[in-house]
Amino acid sequence: EVQLLESGGGLVQPGGSLRLSCTASRFTFAGQAMSWVRQAPGKGLEWVSVISVSGSVTDYADSVKGRFTISRDTSKNTLYLQMDSLRVEDTAIYYCAKGAASTGGFDSWGQGTLVTVSS
Amino acid sequence: DIQMTQSPSSLSASVGDRVTITCRASQGIGKDLGWYQQKPGKAPNRLIYATYSLQSGVPSRFSGSGSGTEFTLTVNSLQPEDFATYYCLQYNSYPLSFGQGTKLEIK
Repeated sequence: EVQLLESGGGLVQPGGSLRLSCTASRFTFAGQAMSWVRQAPGKGLEWVSVISVSGSVTDYADSVKGRFTISRDTSKNTLYLQMDSLRVEDTAIYYCAKGAASTGGFDSWGQGTLVTVSS
Repeated sequence: DIQMTQSPSSLSASVGDRVTITCRASQGIGKDLGWYQQKPGKAPNRLIYATYSLQSGVPSRFSGSGSGTEFTLTVNSLQPEDFATYYCLQYNSYPLSFGQGTKLEIK
């Protein structure tokens, strides 16, 4: 069974930075596009970012473009999300998800990591 | 960008009932639509992809239909474990977009 384990969440002040990690196992991480999806407290799901198999192609939601950077390290089977210039409205549970548009969406999800942006 | 309008936002039903949830896309997305179930405090779980393909391990009482701009998720003979929140997802083009969610509650 696919395993995705997120880490790196926590409390940060507005304008601050955090880096989320997602460690993947029990599937061929190097051959899979990956995504981040978030969910604000009590709200719905919002797609955040995607990265291609090679890592050379990325895309972002307008709400995070220019502030967040997705990347991957195949040697460590790890997906990252660097979050800079954080805003209160970025407060959410961040899920790592296996898949992208090219694979018909997300067939596996991590348990999520909570990011709270507050002064 | 493609907007997904999901209805109803909440639904009350009884065990054994049949329920239908609808998602409408702001433009045609072919069959590039999936359905997800989320229980409180848990990550979402994919039920259906490509409009009507059942995810492995998902009970056959779940089914999907539609194409273009209108899609439905049907749950036949509701079971206690089906009471949850459901989301549609379009993956025809970026940015990917989810419906607002439908909370299915026990009557």
